[in-house]
Amino acid sequence: SQTIHQWPATLVQPVGSPLSLECTVEGTSNPNLYWYRQAAGRGLQLLFYSVGIGQISSEVPQNLSASRPQDRQFILSSKKLLLSDSGFYLCAWSVSYGNTEAFFGQGTRLTVV
Amino acid sequence: SQKIEQNSEALNIQEGKTATLTCNYTNYSPAYLQWYRQDPGRGPVFLLLIRENEKEKRKERLKVTFDTTLKQSLFHITASQPADSATYLCALLASGGSYIPTFGRGTSLIVHP
Repeated sequence: SQTIHQWPATLVQPVGSPLSLECTVEGTSNPNLYWYRQAAGRGLQLLFYSVGIGQISSEVPQNLSASRPQDRQFILSSKKLLLSDSGFYLCAWSVSYGNTEAFFGQGTRLTVV
Repeated sequence: SQKIEQNSEALNIQEGKTATLTCNYTNYSPAYLQWYRQDPGRGPVFLLLIRENEKEKRKERLKVTFDTTLKQSLFHITASQPADSATYLCALLASGGSYIPTFGRGTSLIVHP
């Protein structure tokens, strides 16, 4: 069966520090991969999505970047965090064809101080 | 611009009653609409999908309707239970190949015993 792993679960980082959040998927090949952010009281904002290795689409210009070095690995990064980067970050995957559901990881609660 | 609107106010109902949540959208022509459940501090979990040419979909105590003329979906939970308390998100998927879910903010449902 398919599983998605996202870590860490919580993270407190100072302003200006770098960020690296990792997400891996098991049990499927060539998935679509997504990074969403959910700020307090806000909806899920799509940050990046990827339909294949090295293929990254950015939905919102910001202080973050994403990479997909392997088929089932998706990394969210920042060189210098801002206070506004605080939020709940969710990685998700779906099959690369059709209109199936998205499967979410456990999320990372990031607090920038 | 595209908008997905869900009632930001929490819905409070008594156990055993039917909960009805609303998802409205503008400037969007979704091919599919999904509903997810999200518990505090967790990632969303898929519940139901309905296609644009379907009027209604049921799964156990859940029922979803989709009116593309009104640009609205209704999500019903019959015989609600306190365990149904959570935030419910609707997501729209456009046709054209990518099927990337775009989420509303969600509505919090509180079922009182």
